[in-house]
Amino acid sequence: QQQVKQSPQSLIVQKGGISIINCAYENTAFDYFPWYQQFPGKGPALLIAIRPDVSEKKEGRFTISFNKSAKQFSLHIMDSQPGDSATYFCAAPIGGSYIPTFGRGTSLIVHP
Amino acid sequence: EAQVTQNPRYLITVTGKKLTVTCSQNMNHEYMSWYRQDPGLGLRQIYYSMNVEVTDKGDVPEGYKVSRKEKRNFPLILESPSPNQTSLYFCASSPRGSLRIYNEQFFGPGTRLTVL
Repeated sequence: QQQVKQSPQSLIVQKGGISIINCAYENTAFDYFPWYQQFPGKGPALLIAIRPDVSEKKEGRFTISFNKSAKQFSLHIMDSQPGDSATYFCAAPIGGSYIPTFGRGTSLIVHP
Repeated sequence: EAQVTQNPRYLITVTGKKLTVTCSQNMNHEYMSWYRQDPGLGLRQIYYSMNVEVTDKGDVPEGYKVSRKEKRNFPLILESPSPNQTSLYFCASSPRGSLRIYNEQFFGPGTRLTVL
């Protein structure tokens, strides 16, 4: 079963450090690339998303970078905080579908 | 308050006993979807619906049924649950402009299902 390729599977950083999570997609015709954040016991919620007409979007400490030639988009969390500890998911369609498929998730732990 | 609601939140049942998990959204969204979440496997799509009376299979549809008779409701039906359907289930909805334009998905709080 195909899935969107998300890496790493888990990530541990110290408070104040930079967290970087990557997502590789296939469908170049798609036009919406989101990252979702999920805390334990909760449903995922949109964190930040980008359309492919721009290469980068920043919202506070969170930046999403889009590399069209590499078919990859990344989430950067600057000055990581313990409250950022959560599971992060990217979503993108696979094959010829326009229905988004979620990556397997990245468990981020930020140590105080 | 704009939201997606699911009921029940927790359910323990036995193999073969039919059950329904309800999902309702109050945002007038066209697109609705069901996912299951299992450790290490992320969110896998079960079924989705583009609009009323339009449903389609996702990646893991076996053993599940859905219906979309009203825009706001998208129930998930397990006709004969089995232990491998023990999982955390999420319903989500999203506005959809056209086939290629997808937007934010709004997720429900989840339903923890255990099949003994």
